[in-house]
Amino acid sequence: DVVMTQSPLSLPVTLGQPASISCRSSQSLVHSDGNTYLNWFQQRPGQSPWRLINKVSNRESGVPDRFSGSGSGTDFTLKINRVEAEDVGVYYCMQTTHGPPTFGQGTRVEIK
Amino acid sequence: EVQLVESGGALVQPGGSLRLSCVASGFTFSDSWMTWVRQAPGKGLEWVANINQDGSQRYYVDSVRGRFTISRDNAKNSLCLQMNSLRAEDTAVYYCVIGGGYWWGQGTLVTVSS
Repeated sequence: DVVMTQSPLSLPVTLGQPASISCRSSQSLVHSDGNTYLNWFQQRPGQSPWRLINKVSNRESGVPDRFSGSGSGTDFTLKINRVEAEDVGVYYCMQTTHGPPTFGQGTRVEIK
Repeated sequence: EVQLVESGGALVQPGGSLRLSCVASGFTFSDSWMTWVRQAPGKGLEWVANINQDGSQRYYVDSVRGRFTISRDNAKNSLCLQMNSLRAEDTAVYYCVIGGGYWWGQGTLVTVSS
């Protein structure tokens, strides 16, 4: 199975400052169809997860443009341009290129 | 509006069985892969199983293969997860999910304990 490793696991940030989360996979996530199936999810306290980003960098409808995804191969990053209070929660990367789909451990974002 | 409503979670003894259901609305269910993802208390997310549009392809995480069965009824827009031989480590909130995570239900709690 593909192992997804996130860092850091805890990220205290100041309101209005940027934040960055790294996600590394144990093997390339480039699918034979040429796409890279790397997603990012946000889970706010007490809520279900929701997908922010699909295929590395495509923001879902309704996701603020302060969120951006980048990367390729085995190294990926989620960036929050200017953190707001509503961004508190746990962020997960997930790959669906190789079966079975696997998640990172999660990164907890909190306000300093 | 897309909606996924799970039900069936309960307290069950080790070795017991439970059947989870998910009723979908607001999208074309019969065109969608469907997935179950679980989250143990205070832990991260774990993909459990998924099923293709007509039910001909089903995949499971190793830890549940042979014990859990995913199924769907496109006429009723419903997804099910039959869970047998339950273990303490199956304790989790189980989420019904569209495809690779497009939309998630609110989850249903399964507790396996004596």
